[in-house]
Amino acid sequence: KAGVTQTPRYLIKTRGQQVTLSCSPISGHRSVSWYQQTPGQGLQFLFEYFSETQRNKGNFPGRFSGRQFSNSRSEMNVSTLELGDSALYLCASSLESGDNEQFFGPGTRLTVL
Amino acid sequence: QQQVKQSPQSLIVQKGGISIINCAYENTAFDYFPWYQQFPGKGPALLIAIRPDVSEKKEGRFTISFNKSAKQFSLHIMDSQPGDSATYFCAASMKTSGSRLTFGEGTQLTVNP
Repeated sequence: KAGVTQTPRYLIKTRGQQVTLSCSPISGHRSVSWYQQTPGQGLQFLFEYFSETQRNKGNFPGRFSGRQFSNSRSEMNVSTLELGDSALYLCASSLESGDNEQFFGPGTRLTVL
Repeated sequence: QQQVKQSPQSLIVQKGGISIINCAYENTAFDYFPWYQQFPGKGPALLIAIRPDVSEKKEGRFTISFNKSAKQFSLHIMDSQPGDSATYFCAASMKTSGSRLTFGEGTQLTVNP
C-alpha cells in the first residue's frame, strides 16, 4: 500500500506570494492533518480535515487555510507569505478522525525569500 | 495546559548503551501518548505508543514507561545502535480533539559506534 504522498517536495516563494501544497493520504484513510515543523517552534498542528470538513484548527492566522476533496486528498494554502512561514509542512493521514495511528508524509519544504 | 515538555534536547550514547528520553504533560485529558522517530529528510514515523491505563509497554528494544500520577512518560531504547540516530518526539492526544497531536520539542539522539 502506498504511503502518504506530498507535492511538491520543495518550494521557493517570495514574500507576499501565496502557495498551495497537496497531500494524498493512504488509500482508505479519510482523516488528513497538517503540521508545521520549524527548528524554533517544533511540530505544530495546523488543522485536520475529515469527510471534507475541518474538524480541528491550531493557533495559526487566517492566512493558513485548507480543504479536503471527496477522494480525501487535501490541500493547504498560505496566502501573503512571510519569511517566518519558511518551514517543513507535513501532512498525516489516519483511517478516521481521532484514530490514533497516524502516518506522516515526507513533507514539503517551503522557503520564503 | 496543552504543552508537552521533552528532555533532553540532545543525547549522545555509545553503541550498546541505553538511551532514555523523558516527557511531561499537564493536561490530564490526554489519553494517548505516542513516540515518533524522524530521520533527516523524512516525516515522523510512529515508533511505539501507550495509553494511561498501562504503566509500561515494550516492543523489541523500545520501552515506554508511564507514570500517570506524575504525568510523565519516557522512552527507553535498549542496546542502542548507530541506526537509531535520529530525532525522537513524544506526543499526546485526546479523544475530544480528533487526530490532533501535541508534540514535545524533540530529542536529537546520536549513537556512537
